[in-house]
Amino acid sequence: DTAVSQTPKYLVTQMGNDKSIKCEQNLGHDTMYWYKQDSKKFLKIMFSYNNKELIINETVPNRFSPKSPDKAHLNLHINSLELGDSAVYFCASSQRSGSTIDTQYFGPGTRLTVL
Amino acid sequence: AQTVTQSQPEMSVQEAETVTLSCTYDTSESDYYLFWYKQPPSRQMILVIRQEAYKQQNATENRFSVNFQKAAKSFSLKISDSQLGDAAMYFCACPSGNTGKLIFGQGTTLQVKP
Repeated sequence: DTAVSQTPKYLVTQMGNDKSIKCEQNLGHDTMYWYKQDSKKFLKIMFSYNNKELIINETVPNRFSPKSPDKAHLNLHINSLELGDSAVYFCASSQRSGSTIDTQYFGPGTRLTVL
Repeated sequence: AQTVTQSQPEMSVQEAETVTLSCTYDTSESDYYLFWYKQPPSRQMILVIRQEAYKQQNATENRFSVNFQKAAKSFSLKISDSQLGDAAMYFCACPSGNTGKLIFGQGTTLQVKP
């Protein structure tokens, strides 16, 4: 069974469109994250949720809106897509929130291409 | 601000040889884990090894081991008996503060030559 899954794996869309990426984890973890990997492969945190509560919101444009219907799911909705949003988006999960002694497990990533 | 630095953008190793990837970090935490993740061309982020900072013994996972120097805030990854499948980008990561978010290094691309 896949521990952290994301859909879709590839997303190609036009500027100005709205799109969503879904993430699910079956590890029983309380905390989920979204990371963005840019064209230079640099990885940076965007958001984290602990048991449906927003914990981290890292200076991300408000066109990005995460939603966590339950602690096993964390979705990322992006409005009015821009060329600069093209990147790979990773979902991750960990047992606890705010812990420096916990391991994060990553999904397969979603490659978003904005034309 | 917390930082993680990988000073080697690219490394190359001959198959069956040993290679060491460097990482330095900066944290004010007293208890933390450090991580090495592997990202092959498939782009999946795979946990390679983790080190518990309060443990003096260096972590080992089969052919992968770390050289952890806490005072120097250095955390290098040694890959022994390198295999073609080890070719990938490797990221060092350290958790930040009380949010638990991971701060990643810039990555090191490892090429394994047959």
